[in-house]
Amino acid sequence: NAGVTQTPKFQVLKTGQSMTLQCAQDMNHEYMSWYRQDPGMGLRLIHYSVGAGITDQGEVPNGYNVSRSTTEDFPLRLLSAAPSQTSVYFCASSYSMGEGGLFFGSGTQLSVL
Amino acid sequence: TQLLEQSPQFLSIQEGENLTVYCNSSSVFSSLQWYRQEPGEGPVLLVTVVTGGEVKKLKRLTFQFGDARKDSSLHITAAQPGDTGLYLCAGGKAAGNKLTFGGGTRVLVKP
Repeated sequence: NAGVTQTPKFQVLKTGQSMTLQCAQDMNHEYMSWYRQDPGMGLRLIHYSVGAGITDQGEVPNGYNVSRSTTEDFPLRLLSAAPSQTSVYFCASSYSMGEGGLFFGSGTQLSVL
Repeated sequence: TQLLEQSPQFLSIQEGENLTVYCNSSSVFSSLQWYRQEPGEGPVLLVTVVTGGEVKKLKRLTFQFGDARKDSSLHITAAQPGDTGLYLCAGGKAAGNKLTFGGGTRVLVKP
């Protein structure tokens, strides 16, 4: 099984550019989420979704948009990239809001110059 | 200030030694999860503990949830180079609530 698939693996942007990070899961999970990981800060929740058509903000939502049109896909959009958004981004899914454990993708390393 | 504090931040030991990683909070959690993350990959769930005082064993790894459900520890016996990685704890405050992650402990086991 593929599990959680994220693309691209690496991305370099210039300040002000926009892009979409893709995330897809094939486990029929209702809950999907996006985290960013910065050194020493663990994982911080950006946005999450408890089902198709439902999204909500996490701890650090500013500068990011999400949508959930299908159970499988949960893309993350950077509207106008800033150097502060340089980070490693992880998509995760689970049956509930992480209670049984999250399944993570392999991450997207983003650099904003 | 993070809700979940992990210590130490970095640990370097020789193969065969034991190690303990701590995850502490001033808040009560309904459940506590431990993950291991290897370079270039996403975190992988190791265990979930839900009952105060609970102890779970996974081969050479022993996980304990504090009696008051505010802290947890991960003990590795006879560490091997394959145990190298970033260990993350994550707490849930109630059923259906979002997980909060600690800052992580980076473990290096030298052969």
